[in-house]
Amino acid sequence: EVQLVESGGGLVQPGGSLRLSCAASGFTVSTNYMTWVRQAPGKGLEWVSVIYSGGSTNYADSVKGRFTISRHNSKNTLYLQMNSLRTEDTAVYYCARASWIQQFYYFDYWGQGTLVTVSS
Amino acid sequence: DIQMTQSPSSLSASVGDRVTITCRASQSISNYLNWYQQKPGKAPKVLIYAASSLQTGVPSRFSGSASGTDFTLTISSLQPEDFASYYCQQTYSTPMYTFGQGTKLEIK
Repeated sequence: EVQLVESGGGLVQPGGSLRLSCAASGFTVSTNYMTWVRQAPGKGLEWVSVIYSGGSTNYADSVKGRFTISRHNSKNTLYLQMNSLRTEDTAVYYCARASWIQQFYYFDYWGQGTLVTVSS
Repeated sequence: DIQMTQSPSSLSASVGDRVTITCRASQSISNYLNWYQQKPGKAPKVLIYAASSLQTGVPSRFSGSASGTDFTLTISSLQPEDFASYYCQQTYSTPMYTFGQGTKLEIK
C-alpha cells in the first residue's frame, strides 16, 4: 500500500528555518517525480516544488532561492528545507507523488499534511 | 505563466442535483487538466486526469470534458459525500503545475 507521512512542521519565527520530511512506503521515491504543495489557511492549493527521478528540481517563484527539495534514497524519504521563512509561508504542506499516463501528469498519492506557522 | 480561473467560487446544491464546475485556462493547455476533490482537513484526491479520464476507483457520476481553453467537471447526481472543494490543475506548463482557486460545493 502506498503511503506518504509528513513530519517536521511547527511554529517558527520570521527569518527562521524548518525542514519537512515525507516518509514514503509502498513505492520508491527515487524512481518517481515527487512534489510539495501547500495550502494557506482557508485558501487554495499552491504548487511549491518538484524533484524528478533524475534528480533535477524546480520551484515556484514564491519560494525560489529560499526552499530546497531533496531526497534520501536509502531512507525513501523526501525533504523540503525552508529558509528565510516569511509569514506568507504559513500553510499546510503536503507531499505528493506525481504519476503519468502517456504524457499526462497528475498527483495520485498525497500525505496527510504538516502545518507550518511562521509568526513572531 | 498560465492562469487557471474556476467558476463559480462557491455553489449550493441539493442531493441528486446535476452540478457543473468550470475551469478556464489563460492560454491553450491541450488536455493537460486534472480535477481534485478536497474535504475539510484532508488531502486532495484526484478525480479526473487528462481532462476526461476517470481515475481508478472514482464513481462514474464524475466526468470531465474540454472545449478549447474551457474545462468542465460534472457531477451527474450529487451524493452527500460529494460536498467538498474542487480544484482544477494544469500540467501543460511544467513544472508550474498551477491550480485554480477552487470551488466550494455546499449543501442547499
